[in-house]
Amino acid sequence: EIVLTQSPATLSLSPGERATVSCRASQSVNNYLAWYQQKPGQAPRLVIYDVSNRAAGIPARFSGSKSGTDFTLTISSLEPEDFAIYYCQQRSNWPPAYTFGQGTKLEIK
Amino acid sequence: QIQLVQSGVEVKKPGASVKVSCKASGYTFKFYGFSWVRQAPGQGLEWMGWISTSSADTNFAQSLQGRVTMTADTATSTVYMELRRLKSDDTAVYYCVRDREGSSDYWGQGTLVTVSS
Repeated sequence: EIVLTQSPATLSLSPGERATVSCRASQSVNNYLAWYQQKPGQAPRLVIYDVSNRAAGIPARFSGSKSGTDFTLTISSLEPEDFAIYYCQQRSNWPPAYTFGQGTKLEIK
Repeated sequence: QIQLVQSGVEVKKPGASVKVSCKASGYTFKFYGFSWVRQAPGQGLEWMGWISTSSADTNFAQSLQGRVTMTADTATSTVYMELRRLKSDDTAVYYCVRDREGSSDYWGQGTLVTVSS
């Protein structure tokens, strides 16, 4: 079973700063890697799919990348509405089975 | 617009079963599979399982094998998740999510299931 390890657990930054959230897979994975944003009391929202594609309505300041088994979500310049919890998620090829990272809380410094 | 509307809050006793529904609208139901994801209070996201709406094939998380069933009714564009032999640590918000081939692009509003004696 693939394990996704996110770091850091908490990231404290100010609006306008750059945020980088990491997600490391325990073994080689396909490109079904997604990122979700969750705000208190809300369902998660898809931000990035297939490693680097922005979901509908997601601003260009969000980007995703991959290097080997390391995946990164970058927010180039934080806006107040970006402070939330972010989860990475990976899907196996077939049959579909998903794994989530433990989450990274992005908080205002 | 695409919507996933789930059934309401449930309160169950340990050992009971719960069945949560999720009605989809705004797209062709049989073209997308569904997953169910749950989130215990203050915790992260846990994938529970997946169902194909076209073939009814399923795949469940190992931790829930034998306790969970997922079904799809194409006539009403509704998917169901039933969890049996409930325990207190099954207390969570349960989400249905549309599977867009490797990620989940639409989420239901969530259904709170509380298991308490």
